[in-house]
Amino acid sequence: DQQVKQNSPSLSVQEGRISILNCDYTNSMFDYFLWYKKYPAEGPTFLISISSIKDKNEDGRFTVFLNKSAKHLSLHIVPSQPGDSAVYFCAASGMDSSYKLIFGSGTRLLVRP
Amino acid sequence: SAVISQKPSRDICQRGTSLTIQCQVDSQVTMMFWYRQQPGQSLTLIATANQGSEATYESGFVIDKFPISRPNLTFSTLTVSNMSPEDSSIYLCSVVGGMGGYEQYFGPGTRLTVT
Repeated sequence: DQQVKQNSPSLSVQEGRISILNCDYTNSMFDYFLWYKKYPAEGPTFLISISSIKDKNEDGRFTVFLNKSAKHLSLHIVPSQPGDSAVYFCAASGMDSSYKLIFGSGTRLLVRP
Repeated sequence: SAVISQKPSRDICQRGTSLTIQCQVDSQVTMMFWYRQQPGQSLTLIATANQGSEATYESGFVIDKFPISRPNLTFSTLTVSNMSPEDSSIYLCSVVGGMGGYEQYFGPGTRLTVT
């Protein structure tokens, strides 16, 4: 059973517009959530994170929103740039203090020039 | 964030053989992790490797198939033993870092193809 789900395998957005990537989780014990970006032939790159005590965290063009009651988080990228084209993974942690991450299946973002 | 390197970056191996993947970090870290990303799939944790203790394996992964060494605070190896085509994956090591405490930083990965 997948504990972290990304239901959209792909997303296409025009350059300059907003990209919204979604993630759902089932385990209410998760207390820390992260977003990673992955280019082909590279390891995942950490983007932004949020603790369960917050509902929003912003870093430049990237904002993560957390809705604990809905067990849902989203990553907003504004404005989107062609260099943002990559696979985005959400991940969750903290349920047993082991620091291990549970990843979603990823969403491939394409930003069209 | 820590700088992490992996060797080899890729390899093609025959079934039944073994491959050892090295992970080197430029700073001392307590916790290291090994993940696998099968083609078209997400990242799955194989094991947690802490220096000075036995690696802790996740469900579905066993030490005989994926032995891990952690001889010091900057280095670890993962061996994929008796390989089959189903072991064809990208293998990644990571370390914990960052302000929040849960952020992990990943190496570039080792792309393994088993024929």
